[in-house]
Amino acid sequence: KNQVEQSPQSLIILEGKNCTLQCNYTVSPFSNLRWYKQDTGRGPVSLTIMTFSENTKSNGRYTATLDADTKQSSLHITASQLSDSASYICVVRGFSGGYNKLIFGAGTRLAVHP
Amino acid sequence: DADVTQTPRNRITKTGKRIMLECSQTKGHDRMYWYRQDPGLGLRLIYYSFDVKDINKGEISDGYSVSRQAQAKFSLSLESAIPNQTALYFCATSEERGGYTFGSGTRLTVV
Repeated sequence: KNQVEQSPQSLIILEGKNCTLQCNYTVSPFSNLRWYKQDTGRGPVSLTIMTFSENTKSNGRYTATLDADTKQSSLHITASQLSDSASYICVVRGFSGGYNKLIFGAGTRLAVHP
Repeated sequence: DADVTQTPRNRITKTGKRIMLECSQTKGHDRMYWYRQDPGLGLRLIYYSFDVKDINKGEISDGYSVSRQAQAKFSLSLESAIPNQTALYFCATSEERGGYTFGSGTRLTVV
């Protein structure tokens, strides 16, 4: 079964600290992996998209890594800010059920405290 | 104006009522999607459309129907709402190989 699992489910950090969120997937075949940020009451917004040949991709203070061999990805947030408080969703694009589809993780809820 | 606009933002309805959620986009994308988000679960695909004449069921289409009125408009209907359809609903658009743009969501409560 194609699955995307994220850890931890929730995380609290202090402003200015770094953190790393994890994503493991079993989706096969695999097309690309995306990280989204979802603010409360809003739709998900794309942070990064990586194909299987890319190991790392950055977007400002966000850096995503991908190990296609172990089917693991991480999202590292540097020098966290209060505005980073949100859910972070790992999404894998794969071929399933006869079409290419996005398979969503349940997300990691991050709270950044002053 | 937002690229993907969903209306209404919030809706409370009674069991058995018919309800329509609307989505419009200014991205010019052909592909549009309806997703459902429940607490503790990832977004799940309800229906998708690759152009005006193309409608396809996603993984959880039972109890839902859709209409693609134009390239820019894609509506989701619940013919007879039931409480377990209480959820956050998202419309999204995309290009064939591009990223997805999501609306702000419709919070639906069925009582």
